[in-house]
Amino acid sequence: GENVEQHPSTLSVQEGDSAVIKCTYSDSASNYFPWYKQELGKGPQLIIDIRSNVGEKKDQRIAVTLNKTAKHFSLHITETQPEDSAVYFCAASKDSGYSTLTFGKGTMLLVSP
Amino acid sequence: EAQVTQNPRYLITVTGKKLTVTCSQNMNHEYMSWYRQDPGLGLRQIYYSMNVEVTDKGDVPEGYKVSRKEKRNFPLILESPSPNQTSLYFCASSFIVNQPQHFGDGTRLSIL
Repeated sequence: GENVEQHPSTLSVQEGDSAVIKCTYSDSASNYFPWYKQELGKGPQLIIDIRSNVGEKKDQRIAVTLNKTAKHFSLHITETQPEDSAVYFCAASKDSGYSTLTFGKGTMLLVSP
Repeated sequence: EAQVTQNPRYLITVTGKKLTVTCSQNMNHEYMSWYRQDPGLGLRQIYYSMNVEVTDKGDVPEGYKVSRKEKRNFPLILESPSPNQTSLYFCASSFIVNQPQHFGDGTRLSIL
């Protein structure tokens, strides 16, 4: 089955800096790559996703890049703010009848004022 | 308001006492799923359902059962809970697996 590796497990940055979280996946058939943000006491919430026919997607301060050849994708957060502090998960799945969504182990991002 | 509702939010129980965690969504989603979250292991899928009466195992199905008799509900059943099932559980739903999943707020289970 699919295996998703996520790095780093923790990331501390100063407010205003950029943060980058990287994920690799094993199944070349995977074609959907969402990123979720989980705040304390809450369920994960989608922040951005990308499909395999696109190399990059941007939404304000958040961007995701995908390298299908290398089988890795990354989350970029610019101008970080304290409210960006949370756990971030990457995930991968594919278009098939019985597909599952496989998550990375998560990155705890801490943004210090 | 579009939401996924889980109950209970917290439960402390004892080994062997059957329990059910309910999950309900109001978005007419076909795909529903259960995950468990453990420190250092991230989110692992327990079971998922593509539609009514269609369920399949995820990565960690041992010790769990599910049913999907109606589109909106997807209960998770622990027939004989054991301490290694102490965890934080999330239910999620989407139209299909390759669409954004909406998560509930979680159920924290402690099995003594």
